[in-house]
Amino acid sequence: GQNIDQPTEMTATEGAIVQINCTYQTSGFNGLFWYQQHAGEAPTFLSYNVLDGLEEKGRFSSFLSRSKGYSYLLLKELQMKDSASYLCAVLDSNYQLIWGAGTKLIIKP
Amino acid sequence: DAMVIQNPRYQVTQFGKPVTLSCSQTLNHNVMYWYQQKSSQAPKLLFHYYDKDFNNEADTPDNFQSRRPNTSFCFLDIRSPGLGDAAMYLCATSRGTGDNQPQHFGDGTRLSIL
Repeated sequence: GQNIDQPTEMTATEGAIVQINCTYQTSGFNGLFWYQQHAGEAPTFLSYNVLDGLEEKGRFSSFLSRSKGYSYLLLKELQMKDSASYLCAVLDSNYQLIWGAGTKLIIKP
Repeated sequence: DAMVIQNPRYQVTQFGKPVTLSCSQTLNHNVMYWYQQKSSQAPKLLFHYYDKDFNNEADTPDNFQSRRPNTSFCFLDIRSPGLGDAAMYLCATSRGTGDNQPQHFGDGTRLSIL
């Protein structure tokens, strides 16, 4: 079967750095997305990786290792508004998007 | 500014009473999706349309139907809602289904069943 694993919940301090990991086992791979979802709201697109390496976008970076079936989302200079769930999703060989259950990130002052 | 619009934001219906959720988009995207999301769970794809081609997920209950009368609009019909259908329903669009085609979501409709 297809599977995406992410930690259920993480806690970090305002101003710090946090890394949210995602491991996947899917039938094929055509890219990995990270989405942010605030409570009661819709997911918003953060990043897309299809090649190995690090993609940086301001305070957020996303890393991919296809050989390890692994990605992480790195958030720097954390702000209170970054408190949200972060969902990892993989596009499989049929171009179906397989979603993780999300990691709830709690930011403390 | 809203590009994927879902109405209403909150919907309450009675057990067994049909309900329709609507979604419209101004992005002119080819693909429209309906997801069901329950608390702390991954979004679950119910169906998607590529233009007028309808794709039903194998495990989507028969109770759920969808219509896409034109590029801009898509509807989700729940014929006889049960208590287990209470959830957030998310509509999303994408230009295509290939790589690097992120999905853009509406704000969702939260459905409650009395």
